[in-house]
Amino acid sequence: DIQMTQSPSSLSASVGDRVTITCRASQGIRNYLAWFQQKPGKAPKSLIYAASSLHSGVPSRFSGSGSGTDFTLTISSLQPEDFAIYYCQQYNTYPRTFGQGTKVEIK
Amino acid sequence: QVQLVQSGAEVKKPGASVKVSCRISGYTLSEISMYWVRQAPGKGFEWMGNFDPEEGEDGEAIYAQKFQGRITMIEDTSTDTAYMELSSLRSEDTAVYYCGFAINMLQGVGYWGQGTLVTVSS
Repeated sequence: DIQMTQSPSSLSASVGDRVTITCRASQGIRNYLAWFQQKPGKAPKSLIYAASSLHSGVPSRFSGSGSGTDFTLTISSLQPEDFAIYYCQQYNTYPRTFGQGTKVEIK
Repeated sequence: QVQLVQSGAEVKKPGASVKVSCRISGYTLSEISMYWVRQAPGKGFEWMGNFDPEEGEDGEAIYAQKFQGRITMIEDTSTDTAYMELSSLRSEDTAVYYCGFAINMLQGVGYWGQGTLVTVSS
């Protein structure tokens, strides 16, 4: 199985900060990488697919990059509603696997 | 408007089965690939299976190895409702179960249901 490793596991940031989360795959997954946001008690929300494409309705402050094994999610200017847990997921190979999550907290 | 509406919370005894439903609108089941994932309390996500239109002649359900023999994903295209049945439940199956769908395999899951809590307890 492909292991997805996110870093950091958690971070504290202020409104307006630029935040970057990384996701590393244990083997190449081309660009079949998605990012999700989850708030407490809520269903996940899809942010990015194919490593860098935004789903409809996702604010442009979110961006993704990477290919192969190394990927990043960037929030250019953190907003109060962005405090949440972020997960990456590879969908290049079965079984589909998720990162362990990165919790973005208020500083 | 795209919606996925899942069935309500369930409490089951060990050894029982549970069947979670997911009714979609805004698309039809024939247009999408349905995914099922779960999230145990305080944990991350675990992929359970999905329908892959690129597998086999007409597409087929692909299941996670750990659920093989216990999971069945079925689709009722007349009502655009998908079902996930998990049998031989044990306490470790206590989790929130989510359906989600992809409109094509490149985009991955774009839409999610609200989740169904399944509690397995004697």
